[in-house]
Amino acid sequence: GAGVSQTPSNKVTEKGKYVELRCDPISGHTALYWYRQSLGQGPEFLIYFQGTGAADDSGLPNDRFFAVRPEGSVSTLKIQPAEQGDSAVYVCASRLRGEAYTEAFFGQGTRLTVV
Amino acid sequence: DQQVKQNSPSLSVQEGRISILNCDYTNSMFDYFLWYKKYPAEGPTFLISISSIKDKNEDGRFTVFLNKSAKHLSLHIVPSQPGDSAVYFCAASSSRAGSYQLTFGKGTKLSVIP
Repeated sequence: GAGVSQTPSNKVTEKGKYVELRCDPISGHTALYWYRQSLGQGPEFLIYFQGTGAADDSGLPNDRFFAVRPEGSVSTLKIQPAEQGDSAVYVCASRLRGEAYTEAFFGQGTRLTVV
Repeated sequence: DQQVKQNSPSLSVQEGRISILNCDYTNSMFDYFLWYKKYPAEGPTFLISISSIKDKNEDGRFTVFLNKSAKHLSLHIVPSQPGDSAVYFCAASSSRAGSYQLTFGKGTKLSVIP
């Protein structure tokens, strides 16, 4: 596609449920990042994929969060079980390569609300 | 511990005037800096960047200045237009960190008044 696509754009779920958020990066981009943005904050790093592997997952807050990118393109961020404190906008970004001096392109985000 | 700080949550500027958005950072390993613009319900959009070997980068109405000794950068928008009204995020990364992840400030909401 032309840009980074994220689905769904909004997700409301109950505490304790399983949540899956999808990111479709720009075609050919090998680097993919997940960020989380809470109200009044900038995006906070969660995890970085270079190809299929999670090269840096140091931003994942705990083991309820997990992400995969099995074929090196689409990525799924999973939260199980969801808690109310997980409510935020989850933003995905891709870069052509995992290099420092290149811009990252962001999706529109998935607004997750856990009730 | 905020490594990238944008101390002004909001800024109002008259149309046609200069907008100056400021950003400070604490991590001396950062060597690439970016500004992103964000409209409501959209993801951040890349605006302009600067590497640490430069002290200035211009792109049309947008100029970013970097003062490495002060660990400070600023974004100048001249002249400001109503369509510039958005939240602006400063971000930084390090070529020495394997993931080259971007570390963001909290953002500054710019309002350009017609």
